[in-house]
Amino acid sequence: DAGVIQSPRHEVTEMGQEVTLRCKPISGHNSLFWYRQTMMRGLELLIYFNNNVPIDDSGMPEDRFSAKMPNASFSTLKIQPSEPRDSAVYFCASSLETGGSAFFGQGTRLTVV
Amino acid sequence: GEDVEQSLFLSVREGDSSVINCTYTDSSSTYLYWYKQEPGAGLQLLTYIFSNMDMKQDQRLTVLLNKKDKHLSLRIADTQTGDSAIYFCAESTGGFKTIFGAGTRLFVKA
Repeated sequence: DAGVIQSPRHEVTEMGQEVTLRCKPISGHNSLFWYRQTMMRGLELLIYFNNNVPIDDSGMPEDRFSAKMPNASFSTLKIQPSEPRDSAVYFCASSLETGGSAFFGQGTRLTVV
Repeated sequence: GEDVEQSLFLSVREGDSSVINCTYTDSSSTYLYWYKQEPGAGLQLLTYIFSNMDMKQDQRLTVLLNKKDKHLSLRIADTQTGDSAIYFCAESTGGFKTIFGAGTRLFVKA
């Protein structure tokens, strides 16, 4: 398996634009997590899914953020409209069983100018 | 609520031992993990320990768990410049999620 695959690796966008980040979890994993990493706040859990169902989205910072998981092999994190303070590295991770070790993607570095 | 805390920075000399500390709040934690993040990369699982263990050793890595104090540490013996990275402590209770600390940035001076 190629591991967790995220796209794009880098995204630069203008303030106010819509941004969509994509994630393909490891095949067979049933839990998926979206994290955001910044120097100031470290690693923050935004939302996680189990069997494609959102379980806890309390970490999503604002209504501008939304996440979907239409099937077991794909998830998106959307920011609309984007703001400069959304600039961060966004990681997707998946795990085989709830509470098991998580495998991380390479991340998407988002810069909003 | 659940929380994992660790210091943000640690600087050591090459060849010395590094000790990265972590405290957590959830006494029902089942697994405790250490992840490593190298520059420009995602987090990778380094090692883990079950909550019913006190210690785990894996080559240069030693994990110590004090369940009473909810304290976890990672010791890296003979630290090398290649060990420079961010190290994350994490816990899970067998529930749906893993809680991560903010990460400790390890600097190794040659």
